[in-house]
Amino acid sequence: IQLTQSPSFLSASVGDRVSITCRASQGISTSLAWYQQKPGKPPTLLIYGASTLQSGVPSRFSGSGSGTDFTLTISSLQPEDFATYYCQQVISYSPLTFGPGTKVDIK
Amino acid sequence: QVHLVQSGAEVRKPGASVKVSCKTSGYTFTGYYMHWVRQAPGQGLEWMGWINPTTGATTFAQRFQGWVTMSRDTSISTAYVEIRSLKSDDTAIYYCARGLNSGYPFYLYLDVWGQGTTVTVS
Repeated sequence: IQLTQSPSFLSASVGDRVSITCRASQGISTSLAWYQQKPGKPPTLLIYGASTLQSGVPSRFSGSGSGTDFTLTISSLQPEDFATYYCQQVISYSPLTFGPGTKVDIK
Repeated sequence: QVHLVQSGAEVRKPGASVKVSCKTSGYTFTGYYMHWVRQAPGQGLEWMGWINPTTGATTFAQRFQGWVTMSRDTSISTAYVEIRSLKSDDTAIYYCARGLNSGYPFYLYLDVWGQGTTVTVS
């Protein structure tokens, strides 16, 4: 299952509402996660099951969608949110796949 | 507190092998699947496979079958990945990552990651 993300690069300001889209090549129900990765660090799990916030993740992060189209939304971008975001599908582990990433940069 | 601590950076020549370790603490090692994910320089994330620490059973992405081995030592709560016949495009950061919990599909979400091990093939 192939995942595409849009945009691949996003320039935004602190306080902006930001949305990132992930599209699957076939329906995956809600079997999708979102990860955040900062330079030189491993990824961290933000959301799983398309919309369940991982423990400890700020509530400004939210996820939605099912089937083939999914969205990660940051309601009010904070300085620590500038990072690269990846989606991951888990409906098929032959293989598990990640999207190519969306880099969120400071405007 | 859950920790996954990986072994240090490695440099290998093409054709050699490398074994990376992932020592865990702060949870029951046999209660959670362990995955391995790699990231080539400036690139995205590539899932390699997982090991069931209780049984030792493994599942691999097809492209890694036959030249990657995953193992574990439950006595020291440590998982390993060994990559043979290294090529230059195996140069990457290799991460271990724990499955969220033991139920399906939650063991496929990766909730705690090691710090990464840089493997350079040159």
